[in-house]
Amino acid sequence: GAVVSQHPSWVICKSGTSVKIECRSLDFQATTMFWYRQFPKQSLMLMATSNEGSKATYEQGVEKDKFLINHASLTLSTLTVTSAHPEDSSFYICSARGPPDYTDTQYFGPGTRLTVL
Amino acid sequence: KQEVTQIPAALSVPEGENLVLNCSFTDSAIYNLQWFRQDPGKGLTSLLLIQSSQREQTSGRLNASLDKSSGRSTLYIAASQPGDSATYLCAVNNFNKFYFGSGTKLNVKP
Repeated sequence: GAVVSQHPSWVICKSGTSVKIECRSLDFQATTMFWYRQFPKQSLMLMATSNEGSKATYEQGVEKDKFLINHASLTLSTLTVTSAHPEDSSFYICSARGPPDYTDTQYFGPGTRLTVL
Repeated sequence: KQEVTQIPAALSVPEGENLVLNCSFTDSAIYNLQWFRQDPGKGLTSLLLIQSSQREQTSGRLNASLDKSSGRSTLYIAASQPGDSATYLCAVNNFNKFYFGSGTKLNVKP
């Protein structure tokens, strides 16, 4: 089946540094990927939609200059948290829209736990 | 904007009970609805996907129903087991965007 990986699975960084998270579709091409954020004991909130070869579309309230998204190939999207602060600590999950069929299924990565000290 | 609500927020049952988790959504113009399981600190595991034209889907002890006109879906778990303990999330696909409920945290006691 369709598999999505994320790297790293967890990361700890100092305040003010930047962190890059990768999302890969392993066995299919994904023209569209999505980035979500989940705070403790809360549900997933869509941050942005990433389309291969074009600029990402950000949800209201998400700072595009802080959360840089690059979808340079059909199997890779990256999220860079720039100048990270403790309030950016969260669980980040990506998903990829599956191969074209009638189901419009999204396949989710295992998530990346970011802790900013 | 689509809003998804899940009731109850938490549920604790003894092993062997049948149980129902509820999900409601405000915009009925959906493409599909998906139920996920999330274990603590982990990603999402897809359980069932129901297309907007379908009324229900079954997988093993799980059965999910969809009433699009009333904006409701239920996840039925038969003969619950301690291994079913997790948070269950429903997600509504509004043509290009998934909206998630806040989840139901299930604890099945041995």
